Amino acid sequence: QSVLTQPPSVSGAPGQRVIISCSGDTSNIGDNSVNWYQQLPGTAPKLLIFGDSQRPSGVPDRISGSKSGTSASLAISGLQSEDEADFYCGAWDDNLNGLIFGGGTKLTVL
Amino acid sequence: QVQLVQSGAELRKPGASVKVSCRPSGYTFTGYYLHWVRQAPGQGLEWLGRINPRTGGTHLPPKFRGRVAMTGDTSNSVVYMELTRLTYDDTAVYFCARLGDNSNNHLDFWGQGTLVTVSS
Repeated sequence: QSVLTQPPSVSGAPGQRVIISCSGDTSNIGDNSVNWYQQLPGTAPKLLIFGDSQRPSGVPDRISGSKSGTSASLAISGLQSEDEADFYCGAWDDNLNGLIFGGGTKLTVL
Repeated sequence: QVQLVQSGAELRKPGASVKVSCRPSGYTFTGYYLHWVRQAPGQGLEWLGRINPRTGGTHLPPKFRGRVAMTGDTSNSVVYMELTRLTYDDTAVYFCARLGDNSNNHLDFWGQGTLVTVSS
């Protein structure tokens, strides 16, 4: 059971906007940065968002991250078929003194 | 460009050990921490710990202390992760990943992954 809680799946039609949530508590999201990773089938995770809302070079601005209190969200607008992947949130946990991840959310583009 | 290249797939019997290598390139080897993360088949990501390649210092979660060892070779710019007393539950893809910076704790570059299969 993951310390960070994500919905198992989300879906949307091409062009639509979807939001993936990540819920934690004061020892992780509430006190540390949230990072998001995208994992295409059979590949390594790729950093999508760091520091709650910053995009690495090369990540399009239709992808955004936000955080409020002990929850964070990843928004993907203008859905494309190539966005189909698993998405993971991650953060440092002060109580566990380690890196933790959410259970992952599978995005399906209808 | 930054790359992390890992060693190839391994097959081990229960009770054995496995040692996976990770060879970064494209940046100063001693300038960034390296983390190890694993993913069991169809499951999520699990953190195994991190190593400071400059000092060799490691930080492991309690679950893996005594069973995981991380070492670095600064002469050859390679890090290793060894997992001992393997069980079937250790079957997973093992990734090394570079820590982007300590303030955000984000993993900005990942290796391609190494499949470790534990089977009798």
